[in-house]
Parts: sequence; C-alpha cells; structure tokens
Amino acid sequence: EIVLTQSPATLSLSPGERATLSCRASQSVSSDLAWYQQKPGQAPRLLIYDASNRATGIPARFSGSGSGTDFTLTISSLEPEDFAVYYCQQRNNWPPLTFGGGTKVEIK
Amino acid sequence: QVQVVESGGGVFQPGGSLRLSCAASGFTFSVYGMHWLRQSPGKGPEWVAVIGHDGRNIYYTDSVKGRFTISRDNSKNTLYLQMISLRAEDTAVYYCARDFQVGKYLDYWGQGTLVTVSS
Repeated sequence: EIVLTQSPATLSLSPGERATLSCRASQSVSSDLAWYQQKPGQAPRLLIYDASNRATGIPARFSGSGSGTDFTLTISSLEPEDFAVYYCQQRNNWPPLTFGGGTKVEIK
Repeated sequence: QVQVVESGGGVFQPGGSLRLSCAASGFTFSVYGMHWLRQSPGKGPEWVAVIGHDGRNIYYTDSVKGRFTISRDNSKNTLYLQMISLRAEDTAVYYCARDFQVGKYLDYWGQGTLVTVSS
C-alpha cells in the first residue's frame, strides 16, 4: 500500500500570502495524484488531478506540480475561503486508493 | 446539477449490520463507477470500495473484505453498501462519490452519513 505523507500538518498564513503544501509518496506514483479541499462539515472537493490539472471551476490561484514521489500544491494568494484542510490522494497503485493525513491551512 | 445523497447511518451495536444507500441525480448514473469512502474525526478520508458502471469490477480495502458488499441498481440510480459484523473501528462518516472521468479520482461527493458502532 502506498503511504502519502503531507507536510506541514498545519500552515498558519495571512490572506494574500502564498501557501505551499507538500505530499510525499512512499514509492513512485508517476503523475497519478490529486488534491482535495475540505471545509468543516463538508465533503472533500476535487481541486487538482493528474498532479497538475485543475478540476472544473477551480480558480487559477490553485496549482499543482510534481511527479514520482514529491508533489506540491500551491495557492498563489490566499483568499478567505481557502482556509481549510487539504488532502492528497494517489491512484497509481490500487486498490487501495490512499490519501494523505492532510494539511490544515489556518489564518495567522 | 450533480448530486449524491447518502442515507442509512445511525447507531449500531458491534456485530450488527446495516445498509447504506446513495441516491444519485443530475448525471447518467449508469455510465460512472462509484465509490464508498469513510472518514473518522480528525483523520483523512479512507477509501472503502468501488464498483464499475455496470456492477462489475468490484474492489474493497482489506479491512472490510468479507464484511462489506458494494452494489448498485442503475434502474433506481442508487448505490448501496451492505455492512455486517460491525466493529467499533467502522465508526465514521461514510461518503459516496462519483468516479472522475479519467478514473479513480473522486469528483462529486455526498455530504455523508454518520455510522456509529457502539454498545
């Protein structure tokens, strides 16, 4: 089973700042990685798929990069609605599909 | 618009059973694979099972094999998860989610239904 490790666990930033979130896989997942956003009491929302493709309706301030074992989600300039928990997920070696433990982006 | 709505959660005893349902609307249900996932408080989502668009190609995570059964009724646009031999560690919010067109990502999720296993 592929283990995804996200860092940092918590990121404290102010609106307008740049957020950089990391996801590391225990073995190569090629580009088969997605990012999700989850707000309290809500289901996760797909942001990025295949490491760098934005899902429908996702603002351009969200971008993804990486391949192999190291991936990054960047939010170029944080909006108030971006404070949430972010998860990465791999589909390269399944079952099972696996998720990371999450990074919480909180207001500083 | 695309909607998936889960139901059937509640409080259940260890060793008990239940069936979750997921009603889909706003898309052609019969052409999409569907997933069940779960999430315990403070944890990331955990994938549970997937079923192909035609009811074949079924896979489970190891911890639920032999206890959970995923199925679907395309005539009713509904996904199911039959759960038996419940354990405390099955306690979670259970989500159904649609398989994204490129496969094995999840593009639409329901709001979830809480399953609590406790005596």
